[in-house]
Amino acid sequence: GENVEQHPSTLSVQEGDSAVIKCTYSDSASNYFPWYKQELGKGPQLIIDIRSNVGEKKDQRIAVTLNKTAKHFSLHITETQPEDSAVYFCAASIRGGGNKLTFGTGTQLKVEL
Amino acid sequence: DGGITQSPKYLFRKEGQNVTLSCEQNLNHDAMYWYRQDPGQGLRLIYYSQIVNDFQKGDIAEGYSVSREKKESFPLTVTSAQKNPTAFYLCASSSPGQGAPRGGNQPQHFGDGTRLSIL
Repeated sequence: GENVEQHPSTLSVQEGDSAVIKCTYSDSASNYFPWYKQELGKGPQLIIDIRSNVGEKKDQRIAVTLNKTAKHFSLHITETQPEDSAVYFCAASIRGGGNKLTFGTGTQLKVEL
Repeated sequence: DGGITQSPKYLFRKEGQNVTLSCEQNLNHDAMYWYRQDPGQGLRLIYYSQIVNDFQKGDIAEGYSVSREKKESFPLTVTSAQKNPTAFYLCASSSPGQGAPRGGNQPQHFGDGTRLSIL
């Protein structure tokens, strides 16, 4: 089955700096890669996603890049703000796999003032 | 407001007891999912259902059971056979993919979870 690895497990940045979280996947049949933000005591919230026919996608301060050859994808947050502090999860879904998501182990992002 | 409602927010189970977690959605989604989240770990799939009256085991189905009698509802029962039930349980739903296998590769939307503890 699919295996998703996520790094780093914790990330601390100064407000206004950029943050980058990286994930790798094992199954070349994966074709959908969402990113979720989870605040304490809440469910994960979808913040951006990318499909395998696209190399990059951007939504305001958030961007995701995908390298299918290397089987890795990354989340980029620019101009970080304290409200960006949360746990971020990457995930991958295999084509024709019933929309089952395999999640990374999460990154605790802390944006310091 | 459309969304996914999980209840209760906190639940306690005694040894040997079955407990049922509720998940209701009004998003008109066909597919629904149950995940388990342990501290410092990602989400692991317990069961999923792509359509009413049909469901499949996920990666960690042992000790759990589900039903899908209505499109809006996908309750999860944690049975006494689940020896380590303490965790945060998350329910999600998604719409079916366009021109793809049913429920394929569409965003999943999550509820706010139920935290289950052992007394």
